[in-house]
Amino acid sequence: NAGVMQNPRHLVRRRGQEARLRCSPMKGHSHVYWYRQLPEEGLKFMVYLQKENIIDESGMPKERFSAEFPKEGPSILRIQQVVRGDSAAYFCASSSLDRDSPLHFGNGTRLTVT
Amino acid sequence: GQQLNQSPQSMFIQEGEDVSMNCTSSSIFNTWLWYKQDPGEGPVLLIALYKAGELTSNGRLTAQFGITRKDSFLNISASIPSDVGIYFCAGPGGGGADGLTFGKGTHLIIQP
Repeated sequence: NAGVMQNPRHLVRRRGQEARLRCSPMKGHSHVYWYRQLPEEGLKFMVYLQKENIIDESGMPKERFSAEFPKEGPSILRIQQVVRGDSAAYFCASSSLDRDSPLHFGNGTRLTVT
Repeated sequence: GQQLNQSPQSMFIQEGEDVSMNCTSSSIFNTWLWYKQDPGEGPVLLIALYKAGELTSNGRLTAQFGITRKDSFLNISASIPSDVGIYFCAGPGGGGADGLTFGKGTHLIIQP
């Protein structure tokens, strides 16, 4: 998973605060995916973005969650007014849409809401 | 939506033993992927399978794309301590052009 950079690795927020998670895709990749992983669970799709466009946000809660992938800079997953249930590991993955290059994941951001 | 069922949920084995795990889906897949996740890390791709019946190896790991296209198997031979982790199967779906649907994982624990 080298190449996809996520920060911070750990983030602690109090209920009601905002959380901002950043992801820089692998060099040459213009497609970014965000996944959420709860303890003892697999990864669940949240949102798929290309540069400046949200392509599929069907897995993202309608309220408090938003994502962007600007022309310059990393992709941002933003969670407003966090609640305890938002505590999870959030993983970013990138791809180039090459069939022989499946998703490559970052090391995740572990969000803890106190 | 698509569901992936992995079994077993966890495995306790002795170092040196062979390991077998499998994954079944509720629908036909054109691609099967196997990832490994170490504690505190992101999933790392182990093997990708693109053709029904395909058998692919990566060192001590061997994976097969089932003929029915609804299942896949991962075998690890002569396990070593660093094989400990969670193994996930994944297939297409779950959103986006390359989006993946994941199983819940098989936890591999190796006793020395």
